[in-house]
Amino acid sequence: DQQVKQNSPSLSVQEGRISILNCDYTNSMFDYFLWYKKYPAEGPTFLISISSIKDKNEDGRFTVFLNKSAKHLSLHIVPSQPGDSAVYFCAASRLGGTSGSRLTFGEGTQLTVNP
Amino acid sequence: DGGITQSPKYLFRKEGQNVTLSCEQNLNHDAMYWYRQDPGQGLRLIYYSQIVNDFQKGDIAEGYSVSREKKESFPLTVTSAQKNPTAFYLCASSPRQGARVDGYTFGSGTRLTVV
Repeated sequence: DQQVKQNSPSLSVQEGRISILNCDYTNSMFDYFLWYKKYPAEGPTFLISISSIKDKNEDGRFTVFLNKSAKHLSLHIVPSQPGDSAVYFCAASRLGGTSGSRLTFGEGTQLTVNP
Repeated sequence: DGGITQSPKYLFRKEGQNVTLSCEQNLNHDAMYWYRQDPGQGLRLIYYSQIVNDFQKGDIAEGYSVSREKKESFPLTVTSAQKNPTAFYLCASSPRQGARVDGYTFGSGTRLTVV
Protein backbone atom coordinates (compact mmCIF):
# COMPACT_ATOMS: atom_id res chain seq x y z
CA ASP A 1 0.00 0.00 0.00
CA GLN A 2 1.73 3.15 -1.27
CA GLN A 3 0.75 5.83 1.22
CA VAL A 4 2.72 8.58 -0.53
CA LYS A 5 2.55 8.78 -4.30
CA GLN A 6 4.31 10.87 -6.88
CA ASN A 7 2.53 10.06 -10.10
CA SER A 8 4.95 11.78 -12.45
CA PRO A 9 8.23 9.89 -12.76
CA SER A 10 9.78 12.73 -14.74
CA LEU A 11 9.35 16.42 -15.54
CA SER A 12 11.23 18.58 -18.02
CA VAL A 13 11.17 22.40 -17.96
CA GLN A 14 13.06 25.29 -19.50
CA GLU A 15 15.50 27.32 -17.45
CA GLY A 16 13.78 30.34 -15.89
CA ARG A 17 10.29 28.79 -15.98
CA ILE A 18 8.34 27.33 -13.08
CA SER A 19 8.70 23.68 -12.06
CA ILE A 20 5.73 22.12 -10.25
CA LEU A 21 6.17 18.74 -8.63
CA ASN A 22 3.13 16.98 -7.17
CA CYS A 23 2.57 14.52 -4.38
CA ASP A 24 -0.53 12.78 -3.00
CA TYR A 25 -0.96 10.90 0.26
CA THR A 26 -3.61 8.59 1.62
CA ASN A 27 -2.92 8.46 5.36
CA SER A 28 -4.87 11.25 7.08
CA MET A 29 -2.70 10.82 10.19
CA PHE A 30 0.32 12.34 8.45
CA ASP A 31 0.96 15.79 9.92
CA TYR A 32 4.34 16.82 8.57
CA PHE A 33 5.55 16.81 4.98
CA LEU A 34 8.95 17.27 3.44
CA TRP A 35 10.70 17.46 0.11
CA TYR A 36 14.14 15.99 -0.46
CA LYS A 37 16.45 16.44 -3.42
CA LYS A 38 18.76 13.68 -4.60
CA TYR A 39 21.63 13.62 -7.07
CA PRO A 40 22.86 10.29 -8.53
CA ALA A 41 25.01 8.16 -6.21
CA GLU A 42 24.40 10.54 -3.29
CA GLY A 43 22.05 10.58 -0.32
CA PRO A 44 18.96 12.81 -0.39
CA THR A 45 19.25 16.27 1.13
CA PHE A 46 16.45 18.12 2.90
CA LEU A 47 14.89 20.92 0.86
CA ILE A 48 11.75 22.28 2.51
CA SER A 49 9.00 21.14 4.85
CA ILE A 50 5.48 22.05 5.92
CA SER A 51 3.36 21.29 8.94
CA SER A 52 -0.28 20.31 8.54
CA ILE A 53 -1.33 23.48 10.36
CA LYS A 54 -0.08 25.55 7.42
CA ASP A 55 -1.01 25.61 3.76
CA LYS A 56 2.12 27.27 2.41
CA ASN A 57 5.79 27.53 3.23
CA GLU A 58 8.34 29.49 1.26
CA ASP A 59 12.14 29.40 1.20
CA GLY A 60 13.77 31.43 -1.54
CA ARG A 61 12.93 29.92 -4.92
CA PHE A 62 11.11 26.98 -3.31
CA THR A 63 7.50 27.01 -2.12
CA VAL A 64 5.52 24.06 -0.83
CA PHE A 65 1.72 24.12 -0.86
CA LEU A 66 -0.45 21.77 1.18
CA ASN A 67 -4.11 21.01 0.49
CA LYS A 68 -5.23 18.85 3.40
CA SER A 69 -8.74 18.26 2.14
CA ALA A 70 -7.36 16.87 -1.13
CA LYS A 71 -4.41 15.16 0.61
CA HIS A 72 -2.17 16.82 -1.92
CA LEU A 73 1.03 18.82 -1.77
CA SER A 74 3.13 20.45 -4.41
CA LEU A 75 6.60 21.93 -4.70
CA HIS A 76 7.07 25.03 -6.85
CA ILE A 77 10.52 26.08 -8.01
CA VAL A 78 10.71 29.57 -9.50
CA PRO A 79 12.79 30.30 -11.48
CA SER A 80 14.11 26.87 -12.36
CA GLN A 81 17.84 26.51 -12.86
CA PRO A 82 19.90 23.73 -14.52
CA GLY A 83 21.42 22.92 -11.11
CA ASP A 84 17.93 21.99 -9.91
CA SER A 85 18.04 18.90 -12.13
CA ALA A 86 17.75 16.00 -9.69
CA VAL A 87 15.27 13.47 -8.30
CA TYR A 88 12.81 15.03 -5.86
CA PHE A 89 11.22 12.90 -3.16
CA CYS A 90 8.10 13.81 -1.26
CA ALA A 91 7.96 12.41 2.30
CA ALA A 92 5.42 12.36 5.11
CA SER A 93 5.53 11.76 8.84
CA ARG A 94 3.36 11.46 11.93
CA LEU A 95 5.19 13.53 14.51
CA GLY A 96 2.91 12.40 17.28
CA GLY A 97 2.91 8.74 16.30
CA THR A 98 4.60 5.86 18.11
CA SER A 99 6.97 5.33 15.22
CA GLY A 100 8.75 8.54 16.05
CA SER A 101 10.11 10.53 13.18
CA ARG A 102 9.83 7.70 10.66
CA LEU A 103 9.37 9.06 7.14
CA THR A 104 7.35 7.49 4.33
CA PHE A 105 8.65 8.41 0.89
CA GLY A 106 7.08 8.69 -2.53
CA GLU A 107 8.61 7.15 -5.64
CA GLY A 108 10.42 10.31 -6.69
CA THR A 109 10.21 12.64 -9.72
CA GLN A 110 13.21 13.23 -11.97
CA LEU A 111 13.32 16.95 -12.77
CA THR A 112 15.36 18.07 -15.77
CA VAL A 113 15.90 21.80 -16.31
CA ASN A 114 17.07 22.55 -19.82
CA PRO A 115 19.31 25.58 -20.46
CA ASP B 1 32.00 18.13 10.55
CA GLY B 2 29.07 16.07 11.74
CA GLY B 3 27.51 13.60 9.39
CA ILE B 4 26.83 10.02 8.41
CA THR B 5 29.42 7.77 6.85
CA GLN B 6 28.44 4.71 4.85
CA SER B 7 30.97 2.19 3.69
CA PRO B 8 31.85 0.78 1.32
CA LYS B 9 30.53 2.91 -1.53
CA TYR B 10 30.39 -0.10 -3.87
CA LEU B 11 30.04 -3.72 -2.80
CA PHE B 12 29.90 -6.91 -4.81
CA ARG B 13 28.49 -10.10 -3.35
CA LYS B 14 28.38 -13.61 -4.63
CA GLU B 15 25.07 -15.41 -4.42
CA GLY B 16 24.65 -17.23 -1.13
CA GLN B 17 26.93 -14.90 0.83
CA ASN B 18 26.02 -12.57 3.65
CA VAL B 19 27.40 -9.03 3.52
CA THR B 20 27.36 -6.22 6.06
CA LEU B 21 26.97 -2.55 5.19
CA SER B 22 28.42 -0.06 7.64
CA CYS B 23 26.71 3.14 8.86
CA GLU B 24 28.29 5.46 11.42
CA GLN B 25 27.04 8.89 12.58
CA ASN B 26 28.56 11.55 14.81
CA LEU B 27 25.49 13.77 15.02
CA ASN B 28 24.41 12.44 18.42
CA HIS B 29 21.12 11.39 16.83
CA ASP B 30 19.06 8.79 18.67
CA ALA B 31 17.21 7.35 15.68
CA MET B 32 18.76 5.58 12.68
CA TYR B 33 17.23 4.06 9.56
CA TRP B 34 18.05 1.87 6.59
CA TYR B 35 16.34 2.47 3.25
CA ARG B 36 16.62 0.73 -0.06
CA GLN B 37 16.24 2.54 -3.37
CA ASP B 38 15.14 0.74 -6.53
CA PRO B 39 14.24 2.42 -9.83
CA GLY B 40 10.62 3.58 -9.86
CA GLN B 41 9.99 2.52 -6.25
CA GLY B 42 11.41 5.38 -4.26
CA LEU B 43 12.89 4.77 -0.84
CA ARG B 44 11.57 1.81 1.10
CA LEU B 45 12.25 1.37 4.80
CA ILE B 46 14.08 -1.81 5.81
CA TYR B 47 14.74 -1.36 9.54
CA TYR B 48 14.86 1.49 12.00
CA SER B 49 16.09 2.05 15.52
CA GLN B 50 14.97 4.78 17.90
CA ILE B 51 17.36 3.94 20.71
CA VAL B 52 20.38 1.77 21.45
CA ASN B 53 19.67 -1.97 21.75
CA ASP B 54 16.26 -1.58 20.15
CA PHE B 55 15.10 -1.74 16.53
CA GLN B 56 11.95 -2.39 14.51
CA LYS B 57 11.19 -3.89 11.13
CA GLY B 58 10.25 -1.54 8.36
CA ASP B 59 8.24 -2.37 5.27
CA ILE B 60 10.71 -4.76 3.61
CA ALA B 61 12.73 -6.37 6.43
CA GLU B 62 12.76 -9.94 5.08
CA GLY B 63 16.28 -11.13 4.28
CA TYR B 64 17.93 -8.36 6.32
CA SER B 65 19.20 -8.06 9.89
CA VAL B 66 20.52 -5.16 11.97
CA SER B 67 22.07 -4.42 15.34
CA ARG B 68 22.29 -1.25 17.43
CA GLU B 69 24.92 -1.87 20.09
CA LYS B 70 26.22 1.69 20.00
CA LYS B 71 24.41 4.98 19.44
CA GLU B 72 26.77 5.88 16.61
CA SER B 73 26.53 2.66 14.62
CA PHE B 74 23.72 0.81 12.82
CA PRO B 75 25.13 -1.91 10.53
CA LEU B 76 22.88 -3.72 8.06
CA THR B 77 23.48 -7.35 7.09
CA VAL B 78 22.07 -8.51 3.78
CA THR B 79 21.63 -12.26 4.16
CA SER B 80 21.46 -14.98 1.55
CA ALA B 81 17.71 -15.10 2.20
CA GLN B 82 17.25 -11.74 0.49
CA LYS B 83 16.07 -12.74 -2.98
CA ASN B 84 16.90 -9.57 -4.86
CA PRO B 85 19.61 -7.70 -2.97
CA THR B 86 21.01 -5.65 -5.85
CA ALA B 87 20.07 -2.05 -4.97
CA PHE B 88 21.27 1.27 -3.62
CA TYR B 89 21.19 1.30 0.19
CA LEU B 90 20.84 4.49 2.19
CA CYS B 91 21.36 5.00 5.91
CA ALA B 92 19.84 7.97 7.73
CA SER B 93 19.59 9.38 11.23
CA SER B 94 17.36 11.86 13.02
CA PRO B 95 16.81 13.34 16.46
CA ARG B 96 14.53 11.43 18.77
CA GLN B 97 10.78 11.10 18.50
CA GLY B 98 8.98 14.39 18.84
CA ALA B 99 11.86 16.39 17.45
CA ARG B 100 11.64 18.17 14.13
CA VAL B 101 11.99 15.69 11.30
CA ASP B 102 13.89 18.23 9.23
CA GLY B 103 16.86 16.77 11.04
CA TYR B 104 16.85 13.62 8.90
CA THR B 105 20.39 13.26 7.56
CA PHE B 106 21.33 10.72 4.92
CA GLY B 107 24.61 9.04 4.16
CA SER B 108 25.94 8.91 0.61
CA GLY B 109 24.82 5.34 0.09
CA THR B 110 26.22 1.91 -0.76
CA ARG B 111 25.54 0.28 -4.11
CA LEU B 112 25.33 -3.48 -3.66
CA THR B 113 25.56 -5.75 -6.68
CA VAL B 114 25.14 -9.52 -6.64
CA VAL B 115 27.44 -11.26 -9.09
